[in-house]
Amino acid sequence: GAVVSQHPSRVICKSGTSVKIECRSLDFQATTMFWYRQFPKQSLMLMATSNEGSKATYEQGVEKDKFLINHASLTLSTLTVTSAHPEDSSFYICSANSGAYKEQFFGPGTRLTVL
Amino acid sequence: GENVEQHPSTLSVQEGDSAVIKCTYSDSASNYFPWYKQELGKGPQLIIDIRSNVGEKKDQRIAVTLNKTAKHFSLHITETQPEDSAVYFCAASKGSGGSNYKLTFGKGTLLTVNP
Repeated sequence: GAVVSQHPSRVICKSGTSVKIECRSLDFQATTMFWYRQFPKQSLMLMATSNEGSKATYEQGVEKDKFLINHASLTLSTLTVTSAHPEDSSFYICSANSGAYKEQFFGPGTRLTVL
Repeated sequence: GENVEQHPSTLSVQEGDSAVIKCTYSDSASNYFPWYKQELGKGPQLIIDIRSNVGEKKDQRIAVTLNKTAKHFSLHITETQPEDSAVYFCAASKGSGGSNYKLTFGKGTLLTVNP
């Protein structure tokens, strides 16, 4: 299947700082990428749909000014958690569609811990 | 919107036995149903998927069945091995372009295969 990478895999930051997470499609181009958040022992919750060259579409209840998404190229989307607080600590995962049937492939995730 | 229910939440089997996980969906317009395996601390991995134009699909020890009338689909794993132990998620989407590729996930099933 298609390969999606994320960087960093883990990040620890102080409360009030901003953190940027990168999502890359390594062997295909992705006009659409998705960002999810997953709390321990819970399912994946879609945060936003990232569209190359246009604004992201956020799910209800997700603050667009707090979770900034930029999809500047067909292989890179970034999620910036601004002014992070301990309640933002979570596992953030991106995904992208690839292939003739548009299967969705996930990155390895980024563990964010806000102290 | 779409709602996906998944059962059971935990499943423990002996090595070599079969495991079955069931999901139901609410939106009759959904036509794409993937299954993901997620190991601890990793991103979800697509293991099999099915589209609404078929009733069953098999890949070695894994099979998925779909009943469109009843709006439910199931994952079957035969001859289970300890390495099958993980959390399994079902999902549903409308499977067409742009944001319609958005997946709605079930809550997950923790499968434990005992040696």
